[in-house]
Amino acid sequence: GIQVEQSPPDLILQEGANSTLRCNFSDSVNNLQWFHQNPWGQLINLFYIPSGTKQNGRLSATTVATERYSLLYISSSQTTDSGVYFCAVLRGSAGNMLTFGGGTRLMVKP
Amino acid sequence: NAGVTQTPKFRVLKTGQSMTLLCAQDMNHEYMYWYRQDPGMGLRLIHYSVGEGTTAKGEVPDGYNVSRLKKQNFLLGLESAAPSQTSVYFCASSRTFEQYFGPGTRLTVT
Repeated sequence: GIQVEQSPPDLILQEGANSTLRCNFSDSVNNLQWFHQNPWGQLINLFYIPSGTKQNGRLSATTVATERYSLLYISSSQTTDSGVYFCAVLRGSAGNMLTFGGGTRLMVKP
Repeated sequence: NAGVTQTPKFRVLKTGQSMTLLCAQDMNHEYMYWYRQDPGMGLRLIHYSVGEGTTAKGEVPDGYNVSRLKKQNFLLGLESAAPSQTSVYFCASSRTFEQYFGPGTRLTVT
């Protein structure tokens, strides 16, 4: 099956700092999503981005499908950004499973 | 819209007991999914459905059964719970590729 690797596995930032999270995947995909799992366990959809660039406030994401990677940028980080960030990909038709990466655990210190 | 809701939020079972988890979505989505998340890991697909009356096995289906009698509901059953089924269970739905997740059910089997 498709492999999804995220880096770094852990990240500690001071509030206000910027960061880049990376997701590499082993095959072409029809779907790529970024999620934030907050400390209460909720999975929050950040981006649906199989290709191209999107921005939402302080967050932006870029997927280069031909090179099989995606980047999530967090600018001016806040303590509420803490949690685990997951990249998940889908190869094949709609209705198939998302394959999740191992996640990046982010802690933002005040 | 409530989006994707899950019932119950928490449950403790003894080994051998049975239970049913309910997932409901009000977005008129065709596709629905059940995932499990074990500590420190991403999500893995248990079963999924591509429409009312259909179900299919995912990556880790053993010990679980599902039913989709109505388009808006997807039920996950454990017939004889085992400690290895202690996990957080997430339901998701999608119209095409982008999946939306519920808040999760934390299940402990003792």
